[in-house]
Amino acid sequence: NAGVTQTPKFRVLKTGQSMTLLCAQDMNHEYMYWYRQDPGMGLRLIHYSVGEGTTAKGEVPDGYNVSRLKKQNFLLGLESAAPSQTSVYFCASTRLEAQPQHFGDGTRLSIL
Amino acid sequence: AQSVTQPDIHITVSEGASLELRCNYSYGATPYLFWYVQSPGQGLQLLLKYFSGDTLVQGIKGFEAEFKRSQSSFNLRKPSVHWSDAAEYFCAVGMNTGFQKLVFGTGTRLLVSP
Repeated sequence: NAGVTQTPKFRVLKTGQSMTLLCAQDMNHEYMYWYRQDPGMGLRLIHYSVGEGTTAKGEVPDGYNVSRLKKQNFLLGLESAAPSQTSVYFCASTRLEAQPQHFGDGTRLSIL
Repeated sequence: AQSVTQPDIHITVSEGASLELRCNYSYGATPYLFWYVQSPGQGLQLLLKYFSGDTLVQGIKGFEAEFKRSQSSFNLRKPSVHWSDAAEYFCAVGMNTGFQKLVFGTGTRLLVSP
C-alpha cells in the first residue's frame, strides 16, 4: 500500500516555464489537498478537492491551477512559474472530515 | 480568522529529559486537533489527534497531548526524549466546516543533545 505518492520529487524550472505536479493516492480517499511549505511559515493550503471533479481555492491559490479528473489523482499546475513559487509542495488526502490527513513525501521545486 | 501559534521556533532538550511543545489556537468552536512530525526531507507523519472525549490523548512513539479548552491549547509532551525524536513538529487545527480544512502552526524544531 503506497499511500500518497508525489511525482516528481525534485524539479528545477526557469521563470516562465510551466509544469504539473502529480499526486496519486490508493486509499480511496474523497478529500485531497495541495500545500506549500516555506521556512518559518508552516504549511499553507493552495487548493483542495472534496471529490472527483471538484476543486476549490485555499489560502494561497494565486499562480496555481488544479484538476481532479479521477478520484485517485490530484494535479497541481504552474502555468508560468515565478521565483516566489520556489517551495516544497505537499499533497495530502483523507477519507472523512474527522480523520487525519495522510501526506506524501513532497516535491521540492526551485524556480530560477 | 482561525490561527495556530507555536511560540517556540527551536527547542533543545537533552536526551532522556522531558519535553513539552506548546500549541495555542484561535477558533470559535471546538476544533479537531493534530500533531504531526516531519523528519528532514520527509513528509508529515501523524503523531496523535483529538476529536472529542478524553482530553488527554496518546500517540505513537510515546507522545501524548492534552487539550485544554479554557486555555485554547493542545501541548505535546514526552517524558523521556530519544535522539531519534529530533525533527520538526507541527500543530494543526481542523475546522468543522463539513469537510476537513487544516490550519498549521509554523512548527517547532526539536534538537536533542547527548
